[in-house]
Amino acid sequence: GAGVSQSPSNKVTEKGKDVELRCDPISGHTALYWYRQRLGQGLEFLIYFQGNSAPDKSGLPSDRFSAERTGESVSTLTIQRTQQEDSAVYLCASSLRGVGTGELFFGEGSRLTVL
Amino acid sequence: GESVGLHLPTLSVQEGDNSIINCAYSNSASDYFIWYKQESGKGPQFIIDIRSNMDKRQGQRVTVLLNKTVKHLSLQIAATQPGDSAVYFCAELQGGGADGLTFGKGTHLIIQP
Repeated sequence: GAGVSQSPSNKVTEKGKDVELRCDPISGHTALYWYRQRLGQGLEFLIYFQGNSAPDKSGLPSDRFSAERTGESVSTLTIQRTQQEDSAVYLCASSLRGVGTGELFFGEGSRLTVL
Repeated sequence: GESVGLHLPTLSVQEGDNSIINCAYSNSASDYFIWYKQESGKGPQFIIDIRSNMDKRQGQRVTVLLNKTVKHLSLQIAATQPGDSAVYFCAELQGGGADGLTFGKGTHLIIQP
Protein backbone atom coordinates (compact mmCIF):
# COMPACT_ATOMS: atom_id res chain seq x y z
CA GLY A 1 0.00 0.00 0.00
CA ALA A 2 0.91 3.64 -0.21
CA GLY A 3 0.73 4.40 3.51
CA VAL A 4 2.61 3.42 6.65
CA SER A 5 1.75 -0.12 7.59
CA GLN A 6 1.97 -1.52 11.12
CA SER A 7 1.52 -5.01 12.47
CA PRO A 8 0.04 -6.50 14.44
CA SER A 9 -2.90 -4.13 14.79
CA ASN A 10 -3.72 -5.67 18.15
CA LYS A 11 -1.56 -7.66 20.52
CA VAL A 12 -2.54 -9.10 23.87
CA THR A 13 0.27 -10.54 25.92
CA GLU A 14 1.01 -11.67 29.42
CA LYS A 15 3.18 -9.70 31.77
CA GLY A 16 6.81 -10.70 31.40
CA LYS A 17 6.59 -11.77 27.77
CA ASP A 18 8.52 -10.09 24.95
CA VAL A 19 6.70 -8.46 22.03
CA GLU A 20 7.78 -7.25 18.61
CA LEU A 21 5.94 -4.58 16.68
CA ARG A 22 6.61 -3.97 13.03
CA CYS A 23 6.47 -0.86 10.89
CA ASP A 24 6.70 -0.59 7.11
CA PRO A 25 7.26 3.08 6.22
CA ILE A 26 6.32 4.76 2.99
CA SER A 27 8.80 3.82 0.31
CA GLY A 28 11.49 6.46 -0.08
CA HIS A 29 10.96 8.05 3.32
CA THR A 30 14.28 8.38 5.06
CA ALA A 31 12.92 9.29 8.49
CA LEU A 32 11.02 6.89 10.74
CA TYR A 33 9.59 7.54 14.19
CA TRP A 34 8.01 5.50 16.95
CA TYR A 35 5.56 7.09 19.37
CA ARG A 36 3.55 5.71 22.25
CA GLN A 37 0.01 6.85 22.97
CA ARG A 38 -1.62 5.86 26.21
CA LEU A 39 -5.40 5.93 26.44
CA GLY A 40 -6.71 9.48 26.22
CA GLN A 41 -3.23 10.94 26.07
CA GLY A 42 -1.03 12.67 23.56
CA LEU A 43 1.88 11.15 21.68
CA GLU A 44 5.07 10.33 23.52
CA PHE A 45 8.21 10.23 21.40
CA LEU A 46 10.22 7.00 21.65
CA ILE A 47 12.85 6.77 18.91
CA TYR A 48 13.81 8.30 15.58
CA PHE A 49 15.74 6.89 12.62
CA GLN A 50 17.12 9.12 9.89
CA GLY A 51 18.78 7.43 6.96
CA ASN A 52 21.93 5.62 8.00
CA SER A 53 22.63 7.85 10.98
CA ALA A 54 22.66 6.51 14.51
CA PRO A 55 19.09 6.51 15.86
CA ASP A 56 17.92 9.04 18.40
CA LYS A 57 16.91 6.81 21.32
CA SER A 58 16.36 9.60 23.81
CA GLY A 59 12.66 8.86 24.23
CA LEU A 60 12.89 5.17 25.09
CA PRO A 61 11.46 4.82 28.63
CA SER A 62 13.68 1.96 29.78
CA ASP A 63 16.26 -0.55 28.58
CA ARG A 64 13.43 -3.02 28.01
CA PHE A 65 12.62 -1.04 24.88
CA SER A 66 14.71 -1.29 21.72
CA ALA A 67 14.20 -0.69 18.04
CA GLU A 68 15.97 -1.54 14.84
CA ARG A 69 15.65 -0.41 11.28
CA THR A 70 17.03 -2.13 8.22
CA GLY A 71 18.42 0.56 5.98
CA GLU A 72 15.57 2.86 5.03
CA SER A 73 12.88 0.23 5.24
CA VAL A 74 11.21 -1.89 7.90
CA SER A 75 11.57 -1.14 11.59
CA THR A 76 10.79 -3.31 14.57
CA LEU A 77 10.13 -2.09 18.10
CA THR A 78 10.83 -4.71 20.74
CA ILE A 79 9.60 -4.58 24.30
CA GLN A 80 11.15 -7.15 26.61
CA ARG A 81 9.60 -8.43 29.83
CA THR A 82 6.42 -6.44 29.23
CA GLN A 83 4.73 -4.68 32.13
CA GLN A 84 1.13 -3.57 32.46
CA GLU A 85 2.18 0.07 32.11
CA ASP A 86 3.43 -0.76 28.61
CA SER A 87 -0.19 -1.10 27.49
CA ALA A 88 -0.73 1.57 24.86
CA VAL A 89 -1.02 2.16 21.14
CA TYR A 90 2.39 2.24 19.49
CA LEU A 91 2.39 4.50 16.48
CA CYS A 92 4.94 4.55 13.71
CA ALA A 93 5.39 7.49 11.35
CA SER A 94 7.61 8.20 8.41
CA SER A 95 8.67 11.38 6.73
CA LEU A 96 10.41 12.11 3.47
CA ARG A 97 13.35 13.89 5.09
CA GLY A 98 12.53 14.56 8.72
CA VAL A 99 10.63 16.85 11.06
CA GLY A 100 10.49 20.44 9.95
CA THR A 101 10.79 19.53 6.30
CA GLY A 102 7.29 18.19 5.86
CA GLU A 103 4.56 16.22 7.42
CA LEU A 104 4.79 12.94 9.27
CA PHE A 105 2.63 10.16 7.92
CA PHE A 106 1.34 7.89 10.67
CA GLY A 107 0.29 4.28 10.58
CA GLU A 108 -2.83 3.14 12.36
CA GLY A 109 -0.84 1.85 15.29
CA SER A 110 -0.36 -1.40 17.15
CA ARG A 111 -2.52 -1.66 20.24
CA LEU A 112 -0.68 -3.52 22.97
CA THR A 113 -2.49 -4.89 25.99
CA VAL A 114 -0.42 -6.43 28.76
CA LEU A 115 -2.43 -8.57 31.14
CA GLY B 1 6.41 19.63 32.21
CA GLU B 2 4.64 19.65 28.90
CA SER B 3 5.22 22.75 26.86
CA VAL B 4 2.27 22.34 24.56
CA GLY B 5 -1.18 22.40 26.08
CA LEU B 6 -4.77 22.90 25.09
CA HIS B 7 -7.31 25.10 26.78
CA LEU B 8 -10.25 22.70 26.50
CA PRO B 9 -10.18 18.92 26.45
CA THR B 10 -13.60 18.72 24.73
CA LEU B 11 -15.27 21.10 22.31
CA SER B 12 -18.84 20.59 21.16
CA VAL B 13 -20.17 22.54 18.16
CA GLN B 14 -23.22 22.45 15.94
CA GLU B 15 -22.85 21.04 12.46
CA GLY B 16 -22.28 23.90 10.06
CA ASP B 17 -20.78 26.21 12.69
CA ASN B 18 -17.16 27.23 12.76
CA SER B 19 -14.83 25.60 15.30
CA ILE B 20 -11.81 27.10 16.97
CA ILE B 21 -9.37 24.84 18.77
CA ASN B 22 -6.71 26.53 20.85
CA CYS B 23 -3.21 25.59 21.84
CA ALA B 24 -0.66 27.30 24.06
CA TYR B 25 3.05 26.72 23.92
CA SER B 26 5.74 27.83 26.28
CA ASN B 27 8.97 27.59 24.27
CA SER B 28 9.59 30.83 22.42
CA ALA B 29 12.31 29.04 20.42
CA SER B 30 9.76 26.78 18.74
CA ASP B 31 9.78 27.52 15.05
CA TYR B 32 7.45 24.99 13.48
CA PHE B 33 3.94 23.97 14.47
CA ILE B 34 1.65 21.26 13.18
CA TRP B 35 -1.97 20.33 13.68
CA TYR B 36 -2.97 16.68 13.50
CA LYS B 37 -6.39 15.07 13.45
CA GLN B 38 -6.91 11.64 14.96
CA GLU B 39 -10.11 9.75 14.35
CA SER B 40 -11.06 6.91 16.64
CA GLY B 41 -8.89 3.86 16.09
CA LYS B 42 -6.66 5.54 13.54
CA GLY B 43 -3.29 7.18 13.49
CA PRO B 44 -2.93 10.97 13.49
CA GLN B 45 -3.38 12.64 10.15
CA PHE B 46 -1.60 15.84 9.17
CA ILE B 47 -3.92 18.82 8.72
CA ILE B 48 -1.80 21.90 8.37
CA ASP B 49 1.50 23.34 9.50
CA ILE B 50 2.90 26.80 10.02
CA ARG B 51 6.37 28.21 10.54
CA SER B 52 7.19 30.88 13.03
CA ASN B 53 7.80 33.48 10.31
CA MET B 54 4.10 33.38 9.46
CA ASP B 55 1.00 34.51 11.37
CA LYS B 56 -1.62 32.72 9.36
CA ARG B 57 -1.92 29.89 6.94
CA GLN B 58 -5.01 28.64 5.18
CA GLY B 59 -5.94 25.26 3.86
CA GLN B 60 -9.15 23.75 2.70
CA ARG B 61 -11.74 24.78 5.33
CA VAL B 62 -8.96 25.12 7.90
CA THR B 63 -6.92 28.09 9.03
CA VAL B 64 -4.06 28.09 11.50
CA LEU B 65 -3.23 31.27 13.36
CA LEU B 66 0.00 31.82 15.22
CA ASN B 67 0.43 34.55 17.79
CA LYS B 68 4.06 34.52 18.84
CA THR B 69 3.58 37.40 21.28
CA VAL B 70 1.38 35.32 23.57
CA LYS B 71 2.64 31.95 22.30
CA HIS B 72 -0.74 30.84 21.13
CA LEU B 73 -1.77 28.65 18.22
CA SER B 74 -5.28 28.05 16.97
CA LEU B 75 -6.97 25.89 14.41
CA GLN B 76 -10.14 27.19 12.82
CA ILE B 77 -12.42 24.80 10.98
CA ALA B 78 -15.08 26.39 8.83
CA ALA B 79 -18.57 24.92 8.43
CA THR B 80 -17.88 21.85 10.54
CA GLN B 81 -19.11 18.53 9.25
CA PRO B 82 -19.74 15.22 11.04
CA GLY B 83 -16.47 13.94 9.60
CA ASP B 84 -14.60 16.58 11.55
CA SER B 85 -15.34 14.77 14.80
CA ALA B 86 -11.95 13.68 16.09
CA VAL B 87 -9.21 14.51 18.54
CA TYR B 88 -7.03 17.37 17.37
CA PHE B 89 -3.42 17.64 18.49
CA CYS B 90 -1.10 20.54 18.13
CA ALA B 91 2.62 19.85 18.03
CA GLU B 92 5.65 22.07 18.11
CA LEU B 93 9.20 21.64 16.98
CA GLN B 94 11.55 23.13 19.52
CA GLY B 95 14.51 23.50 17.25
CA GLY B 96 16.21 20.68 15.36
CA GLY B 97 15.97 17.00 16.20
CA ALA B 98 13.14 14.52 16.19
CA ASP B 99 12.52 14.62 19.91
CA GLY B 100 11.82 18.32 19.56
CA LEU B 101 8.40 17.49 18.14
CA THR B 102 6.20 17.77 21.23
CA PHE B 103 2.53 16.90 21.09
CA GLY B 104 -0.18 18.26 23.31
CA LYS B 105 -2.79 16.02 24.92
CA GLY B 106 -5.45 16.84 22.36
CA THR B 107 -8.91 18.37 22.12
CA HIS B 108 -11.86 16.17 21.35
CA LEU B 109 -14.10 17.94 18.84
CA ILE B 110 -17.70 16.74 18.89
CA ILE B 111 -20.06 17.79 16.12
CA GLN B 112 -23.70 18.01 17.19
CA PRO B 113 -26.30 17.37 14.45
